[in-house]
Amino acid sequence: GAVVSQHPSWVICKSGTSVKIECRSLDFQATTMFWYRQFPKQSLMLMATSNEGSKATYEQGVEKDKFLINHASLTLSTLTVTSAHPEDSSFYICSAPGTGEGTQYFGPGTRLLVL
Amino acid sequence: GDSVTQMEGPVTLSEEACLTINCTYTATGYPSLFWYVQYPGEGLQLLLKATKADDKGSNKGFEATYRKETTSFHLEKGSVQVSDSAVYFCALSPGSGTYKYIFGTGTRLKVLA
Repeated sequence: GAVVSQHPSWVICKSGTSVKIECRSLDFQATTMFWYRQFPKQSLMLMATSNEGSKATYEQGVEKDKFLINHASLTLSTLTVTSAHPEDSSFYICSAPGTGEGTQYFGPGTRLLVL
Repeated sequence: GDSVTQMEGPVTLSEEACLTINCTYTATGYPSLFWYVQYPGEGLQLLLKATKADDKGSNKGFEATYRKETTSFHLEKGSVQVSDSAVYFCALSPGSGTYKYIFGTGTRLKVLA
């Protein structure tokens, strides 16, 4: 089946630095990708929809300048957490739409820890 | 707004026991409903889905029926295996051409040999 990869799988950074997370569709093209955030023992929360060749669409309450999304090609979307702070520590997951109605393919996630 | 409520875990069962993980939803319109499974170290994988009322999704011995009257989509399996140990997520997609998902909190299942 279709595979979505994420890199890195985990990252530790100092407060105030920026961190980039990559999401790739390995054997299919994705004009749209989604970024989710998951807190411990909570639901996955949709942060934004990444659109190839155009601006991302952010969900209400998500800071656009904090979470920069770039969908540079049909197989790559990146999420950059700028000036990271400890409260940004979380599990970030990306996904891309599949062929079935409403189906999505998910990446394995990236765990971010900001010290 | 739309929401999904899923039973809290963890759920611990012995091998060959019956499994039910409850999921109820609140939605306007006609959502599609999904169960995703996440094995350790892997991404979420689609387990089954149902796109309209009374549909039954099934896969790998798991079943779930879209019940509009009770707004439920409970996951069931008659005989679980150790390999079923994972986290299970119930989700809905509002439909109308959108791929946006609303997830439940996930239920961790541990099956003991």
